[in-house]
Amino acid sequence: ETGVTQTPRHLVMGMTNKKSLKCEQHLGHNAMYWYKQSAKKPLELMFVYSLEERVENNSVPSRFSPECPNSSHLFLHLHTLQPEDSALYLCASSERTSGNEQYFGPGTRLTVT
Amino acid sequence: QKEVEQDPGPLSVPEGAIVSLNCTYSNSAFQYFMWYRQYSRKGPELLMYTYSSGNKEDGRFTAQVDKSSKYISLFIRDSQPSDSATYLCAIWSNYQLIWGAGTKLIIKP
Repeated sequence: ETGVTQTPRHLVMGMTNKKSLKCEQHLGHNAMYWYKQSAKKPLELMFVYSLEERVENNSVPSRFSPECPNSSHLFLHLHTLQPEDSALYLCASSERTSGNEQYFGPGTRLTVT
Repeated sequence: QKEVEQDPGPLSVPEGAIVSLNCTYSNSAFQYFMWYRQYSRKGPELLMYTYSSGNKEDGRFTAQVDKSSKYISLFIRDSQPSDSATYLCAIWSNYQLIWGAGTKLIIKP
């Protein structure tokens, strides 16, 4: 595997479910990011991790809980989501913290019913 | 006012045409100006970026920045159907990327 991978690619969940999104980067980068992409809206930065430590949390609701066990893996734990949370969730990595050259995974298309 | 404005399109042009994609921004302190391309069902991929005013060329792609007008452009020469995608401009400032909403480009064979 190369680049940034994300699983699952598609997820449908009810508002009472708990699920997790997984991201893995094979680039040897030090920083990882979660973004939310909604139709016709700019990407919204959710979380930034640098060397496994969270350095940014852009006022994201607590129903989204990130986890970074090591510099190659990033998770987004989801619980009691709302329909408006339906979106494409993108993971990215960069060589240095908050670097401008970010490399993205294919995303997880999340639908909350 | 949004920090980065981008026409959502879609912009539809015939194959071989020169394409011009544009963004405007509000903060004169912005530093790096990025262009990403996003194909359907894929994540964005970095095309090119520039720091200063002027032009930067990479093959059929030219990025142009006019800091006095707070205007950035991406030109695609000899456009191909494979260029059909959504093009996102992003500006790096204060250690964060600030994104436009993207312009959907369709190249008709």
